[in-house]
Amino acid sequence: AQSVSQHNHHVILSEAASLELGCNYSYGGTVNLFWYVQYPGQHLQLLLKYFSGDPLVKGIKGFEAEFIKSKFSFNLRKPSVQWSDTAEYFCAFRGNRDDKIIFGKGTRLHILP
Amino acid sequence: DAMVIQNPRYQVTQFGKPVTLSCSQTLNHNVMYWYQQKSSQAPKLLFHYYDKDFNNEADTPDNFQSRRPNTSFCFLDIRSPGLGDAAMYLCATVGQNIQYFGAGTRLSVL
Repeated sequence: AQSVSQHNHHVILSEAASLELGCNYSYGGTVNLFWYVQYPGQHLQLLLKYFSGDPLVKGIKGFEAEFIKSKFSFNLRKPSVQWSDTAEYFCAFRGNRDDKIIFGKGTRLHILP
Repeated sequence: DAMVIQNPRYQVTQFGKPVTLSCSQTLNHNVMYWYQQKSSQAPKLLFHYYDKDFNNEADTPDNFQSRRPNTSFCFLDIRSPGLGDAAMYLCATVGQNIQYFGAGTRLSVL
């Protein structure tokens, strides 16, 4: 079955700490991978995406993610978080044989000032 | 400029009273989606269109229907809303494998 697993439901960090949010997907084919961010009271926004090529992709606001095909993973990272990064983060993928985009359950990130 | 527009932003309806949510897009994308998102949960796909080809998710209740009269517009009809249908409803399109979301309609059921 197609699915996305996000390892942490809730993460609390202090400002300037480093961040890594785990994401693993289950799909037997080529995938497009995404991270979306949802700030409080706002709609989903695309943070970054991977389609092909360099497995290390950089997105907005200093975020990056690395696709490791052998591990079916696409972890999100940021070396130094800011209070404004407080939001919910969703990992998602789209399989090459499907129109559907499958979302993970989300990770709620809370940054302490 | 907004590319996926949802109206209204907030909708209040009564238990059992039919309600329609609308979505329009200026991107001319073939694929459109409707998601339901409840508090602190991932968006749950209800159905999607590829052009006029309608694809219903297996676990989408019969209470939820959709219409797509043309490329630009897509509607979500909830025939008899229950308290459990209170949620944010998101419309999205896909172009070049990138999904574009509307701001959503928050539905309250009294």
